[in-house]
Amino acid sequence: DQQVKQNSPSLSVQEGRISILNCDYTNSMFDYFLWYKKYPAEGPTFLISISSIKDKNEDGRFTVFLNKSAKHLSLHIVPSQPGDSAVYFCAAPGGGADGLTFGKGTHLIIQP
Amino acid sequence: DSGVTQTPKHLITATGQRVTLRCSPRSGDLSVYWYQQSLDQGLQFLIQYYNGEERAKGNILERFSAQQFPDLHSELNLSSLELGDSALYFCASSVTTGYLYNEQFFGPGTRLTVL
Repeated sequence: DQQVKQNSPSLSVQEGRISILNCDYTNSMFDYFLWYKKYPAEGPTFLISISSIKDKNEDGRFTVFLNKSAKHLSLHIVPSQPGDSAVYFCAAPGGGADGLTFGKGTHLIIQP
Repeated sequence: DSGVTQTPKHLITATGQRVTLRCSPRSGDLSVYWYQQSLDQGLQFLIQYYNGEERAKGNILERFSAQQFPDLHSELNLSSLELGDSALYFCASSVTTGYLYNEQFFGPGTRLTVL
């Protein structure tokens, strides 16, 4: 049973435009969410997080929005840059203590 | 560079064999986590150690075991290997326990191929 779902395996966006990556979760006990970014041949790198007491968290070009009633979160990247091309994972603690439960990832491709 | 190192980078072995994957956490980090990334299952949490003690188990098979040594490096042992164990194995470390403001830093992974 997949508790964190990323339904878009890939997303293509033009450079300079907004990238919106989506994530849904099923476990209402989740109270903290993270986004990780992964380049080929590297491990995932933490990008941004949000606690369930907030509905928005911003860090530079990256903003995460949380809609608890819909059990949905999204990551907005504005403006998108070529270096943003990577796989993005949505995650939540809940795999057992501090272990993270990850979605399957969305491959973001920024086109020039 | 996250500061987490994993060896070896690649490992090719045969079914039924046993292998050991090694992880050195970032300096000062007391928690170590192991994750498995396979094509069909995505990234799955296997096990966590904190300061030498097992703290939490995720989807870890009984054929797999891990330990964390006094110098805080960790090893993941995989035995009676099957074709389905072929995957990328990531180690991550963090300063302490708990998930709030306790970012996990991931190593580059070990790619295991079982033939």
